[in-house]
Amino acid sequence: QVQLVQSGAEVKKPGASVKVSCKASGYTFSNNGITWVRQAPGQGLEWMGWISTYNGATVYAQTLQGRVTMTTDTSTSTAYMELRSLRSDDTAVYYCARDSTSSPWPYDYWGQGALVTVSS
Amino acid sequence: DIHMTQSPSSLSASVGDRVTITCRASQSISTSLNWYQQKPGKAPKLLIYAASSLQSGVPSRFSGSGSGTDFTLTISSLQPEDFATYYCQQGFNTPRTFGQGTPVEIK
Repeated sequence: QVQLVQSGAEVKKPGASVKVSCKASGYTFSNNGITWVRQAPGQGLEWMGWISTYNGATVYAQTLQGRVTMTTDTSTSTAYMELRSLRSDDTAVYYCARDSTSSPWPYDYWGQGALVTVSS
Repeated sequence: DIHMTQSPSSLSASVGDRVTITCRASQSISTSLNWYQQKPGKAPKLLIYAASSLQSGVPSRFSGSGSGTDFTLTISSLQPEDFATYYCQQGFNTPRTFGQGTPVEIK
């Protein structure tokens, strides 16, 4: 069965960086892109960006350009999202999600989420 | 960026009610529209993709319709497990924006 298992909760100080992992299993990793979505406490879903697990191509949300980097390790079927220069408004649950292979590429499987808290 | 607007902003309903949530895109997105359900403390779950296709395993009381800029999610007979927040999301281009969400609460 398809599973996306994310790393655990993190507490970071403003200005620091965080790297969240997302380990996939139950399917061929390189067949489906991975999208990252975050959700601030009590708020809606925010699309952060996408990475091709086939060739590493990325598309990032304009609001995060320059602070976010998405990568994959195909040898371990793991995707990573690194966010730098953390601010208090980056406090959120960070989800990875698998892109379906057909338009409009809905997210058919999700990780359990990783809470990142940014606080001094 | 394509802006997605859901209405109503929140909804109170009773078990057995027919519920409709609307999603409007700021420009035409054809049928590139997906719907998700999210319960507190859980990841979103895909319900409907391509505006009207039911995801495998999702009960048939859920249905979607629309094209262009206007879309609807309908729950034909609300069940206790359906109380949750519902989000639309466009898959037409990047950034793949979400609506603000519609919480469905018990009346």
